[in-house]
Amino acid sequence: GIQVEQSPPDLILQEGANSTLRCNFSDSVNNLQWFHQNPWGQLINLFYIPSGTKQNGRLSATTVATERYSLLYISSSQTTDSGVYFCAVERVGSNYKLTFGKGTLLTVNP
Amino acid sequence: GAVVSQHPSWVICKSGTSVKIECRSLDFQATTMFWYRQFPKQSLMLMATSNEGSKATYEQGVEKDKFLINHASLTLSTLTVTSAHPEDSSFYICSANSGGTYEQYFGPGTRLTVT
Repeated sequence: GIQVEQSPPDLILQEGANSTLRCNFSDSVNNLQWFHQNPWGQLINLFYIPSGTKQNGRLSATTVATERYSLLYISSSQTTDSGVYFCAVERVGSNYKLTFGKGTLLTVNP
Repeated sequence: GAVVSQHPSWVICKSGTSVKIECRSLDFQATTMFWYRQFPKQSLMLMATSNEGSKATYEQGVEKDKFLINHASLTLSTLTVTSAHPEDSSFYICSANSGGTYEQYFGPGTRLTVT
């Protein structure tokens, strides 16, 4: 199956700092999504980004499909950004099945 | 965006009993829904794909007789954990995609504790 590797596994920031989270994947994909899992376990859709660049407020994401990686940028981080960020991909031909990375645990301190 | 709900949000049951979890797409029709399991501090693992009007497809290593899935309508899929044991305690999450896109939307999850 497809391999999805996220880095770093853990990240501690001071409020106001910027950060970059990375997701590498091992095969061609139809779908790549970034999620934030809040403390209650709900997965919040951040970006649907199989290729290209998108921005939403302080967050932006870039996927370079030909090089099989995606980046999630968080600017001016806030304590409410804390939580686990997951990258998930759907390999071409896998009938919509998502494979998740292990996540990045982000802690933003005041 | 599309909304997916789950019920119950948490449940405690005794070992040997069965528990049913519902997953609903509230504002779209979902021919396919997915069930995931997440253990503490771990990632999500796909358990099965639920197809409306047909049998579910289970991932390797998932016991189909223990985790019964029914997708009776275009807005409802259910997961029944039969003869639950403490090792089945976990966070169960469903997802669905609205027709025509690859993007998936996730329910809020159900925390199952088997005593």
